[in-house]
Amino acid sequence: GAGVSQSPRYKVTKRGQDVTLRCDPISSHATLYWYQQALGQGPEFLTYFNYEAQPDKSGLPSDRFSAERPEGSISTLTIQRTEQRDSAMYRCASSLGTSGHQETQYFGPGTRLLVL
Amino acid sequence: QQPVQSPQAVILREGEDAVINCSSSKALYSVHWYRQKHGEAPVFLMILLKGGEQKGHDKISASFNEKKQQSSLYLTASQLSYSGTYFCGTETGSGNTPLVFGKGTRLSVIA
Repeated sequence: GAGVSQSPRYKVTKRGQDVTLRCDPISSHATLYWYQQALGQGPEFLTYFNYEAQPDKSGLPSDRFSAERPEGSISTLTIQRTEQRDSAMYRCASSLGTSGHQETQYFGPGTRLLVL
Repeated sequence: QQPVQSPQAVILREGEDAVINCSSSKALYSVHWYRQKHGEAPVFLMILLKGGEQKGHDKISASFNEKKQQSSLYLTASQLSYSGTYFCGTETGSGNTPLVFGKGTRLSVIA
């Protein structure tokens, strides 16, 4: 596609519910990142994929968070048993190659999650 | 370790220059600069790799001082379109570590 797309753009959920966020990277981009961005702060790394492999998930805040990219393109981020502190903007980014984090990352518009 | 950006905010008149600094307590492998306008996604400006280089991008350039573990972003002859929040993202050690972004510097350019 022309750019990174994410859906939904906004999600309101009740505490305790599960949510799944979707990211569609730029086509042919090998690497996909998930970030959490609080209001007024910079993006905070959650995890990333090289194609379908997930080399680093050290940034996931707890085992309630999981991500997958089964076919090396679209990715989903799932938060189980959501808590109010999970409320944030979740951004996806993609980069062309797999040469680590030195490549340009193209960010998506984000999904704003509000947990009531 | 989150890099420290300074200043936190700056207001400029069109045509004025600004410098935004990004300092790390750890040895840097690369520094990435992004600009984010209100309500939009961060947009890539440039990457500086270990080696103490300087890069230019129109009237926006940056330097990377490995020894001082810092990078600076220079905006010259600012335009209204430069307004936004500037983030540096740092990769430390020998590379291949996730980017850690600073808290950002909010730049406002007024006519």
